[in-house]
Amino acid sequence: DIQMTQSPSSLSASVGDRVTITCRASQGISNSLAWFQQKPGKAPKSLIYAASRLQSGVPSKFSGSGSGTEFTLTISSLQPEDFATYYCQQYKIYPLTFGQGTRLEI
Amino acid sequence: EVQLVESGGGLAQPGGSLRLSCAASGFIFSDHYMDWVRQAPGKGLEWVGRIRKQANSYTTEYAASVKGRFTISRDDSQNSLYLQMNSLKTEDTAVYYCARVDNWNLDSWGQGTLVTVSS
Repeated sequence: DIQMTQSPSSLSASVGDRVTITCRASQGISNSLAWFQQKPGKAPKSLIYAASRLQSGVPSKFSGSGSGTEFTLTISSLQPEDFATYYCQQYKIYPLTFGQGTRLEI
Repeated sequence: EVQLVESGGGLAQPGGSLRLSCAASGFIFSDHYMDWVRQAPGKGLEWVGRIRKQANSYTTEYAASVKGRFTISRDDSQNSLYLQMNSLKTEDTAVYYCARVDNWNLDSWGQGTLVTVSS
């Protein structure tokens, strides 16, 4: 199975900050990577797919980059509603696998 | 608007069975692969499995942790997705989400249904 490793596991930031979360795959997955946001008690929400394509309706403050084994999610100008847990997921090879999550806290 | 609504969760005994349903609306259900994803209490997301559409013979994929115990099916006439869970284990305790696959991405998710496996 492909292991997805996110760093950091948790991150403290302030309103207005720009943050970057990294996701590493244990083997190359081309650009078959998605990012999700999850708030407590809620379902995950799709943010990014194909490593850098913004899901419809997602604000452009979210951006993704990378290919192969290294990927990043950048969130600019943090707002209170952005504090959540973020997951990466590879969909290149079955079984699909998620990173362990990055908790973004104030 | 895409809507996915799971149901069927509840308490089951170890070794027991449970069947989850996911009612879909707001899109052409038969055009999409569909997935199940679960999340144990306080833990991360775990992909459970996928069912393809009719054009791909409704074939399925499963995570190793559930293969041979769980079965994913669908009824396109009812816009419904199912997860039959047999030989349940305590480690199957989780919120179970159904999700639509679009452009290989899980672009829409239901609100989830809680399954608790305990004696």
